[in-house]
Amino acid sequence: AQSVTQLGSHVSVSEGALVLLRCNYSSSVPPYLFWYVQYPNQGLQLLLKYTSAATLVKGINGFEAEFKKSETSFHLTKPSAHMSDAAEYFCAVSLKGSQGNLIFGKGTKLSVKP
Amino acid sequence: DAGVTQSPTHLIKTRGQQVTLRCSPKSGHDTVSWYQQALGQGPQFIFQYYEEEERQRGNFPDRFSGHQFPNYSSELNVNALLLGDSALYLCASSRGTLLRSDTQYFGPGTRLTVL
Repeated sequence: AQSVTQLGSHVSVSEGALVLLRCNYSSSVPPYLFWYVQYPNQGLQLLLKYTSAATLVKGINGFEAEFKKSETSFHLTKPSAHMSDAAEYFCAVSLKGSQGNLIFGKGTKLSVKP
Repeated sequence: DAGVTQSPTHLIKTRGQQVTLRCSPKSGHDTVSWYQQALGQGPQFIFQYYEEEERQRGNFPDRFSGHQFPNYSSELNVNALLLGDSALYLCASSRGTLLRSDTQYFGPGTRLTVL
């Protein structure tokens, strides 16, 4: 069965510092993996997705993620945090046999200090 | 290009009542999925509609039902509301290409509070 674990429900960084949000997955088939961002009182916006092409995936707003099969991980990074990055971030895996429906992790809330 | 829209934005109901939430998909999309996001949790898949039929369903009771119209818009109905149904309900649309790699585009959600 597919599942997603996000380590750390809350991450705090200083403006300009590296952002690292962790995601580990469990999947019985090659996974399709997604990162979404949710700003307060808004829906989810796709940051990036991995669909078995390049293992390093670049997304919007300077974010990127690397698929590591040996570690079953898909961590999200950004070299330099900006105040506008403060939001909740969700990692998700596409269900086996589905048409794009997703299993989400519990989310990581990112705070950015000035 | 309008994105996914949902109505209403907020809704307050009492236990035992019934509620209907509405969703219009992104232009060019014909598939609608519904998710429930409880406070402090990630979204959970409720069901998906394609060609006016329920194509997939998550682990939700029959109190949760839906409908898709010929214009691809969709409704989510919840009967006999429980306090635990309080959540943000998200609608997502995609193209019906039946691929696991499809991107789902989410609406802003409807916040349901059950008292």
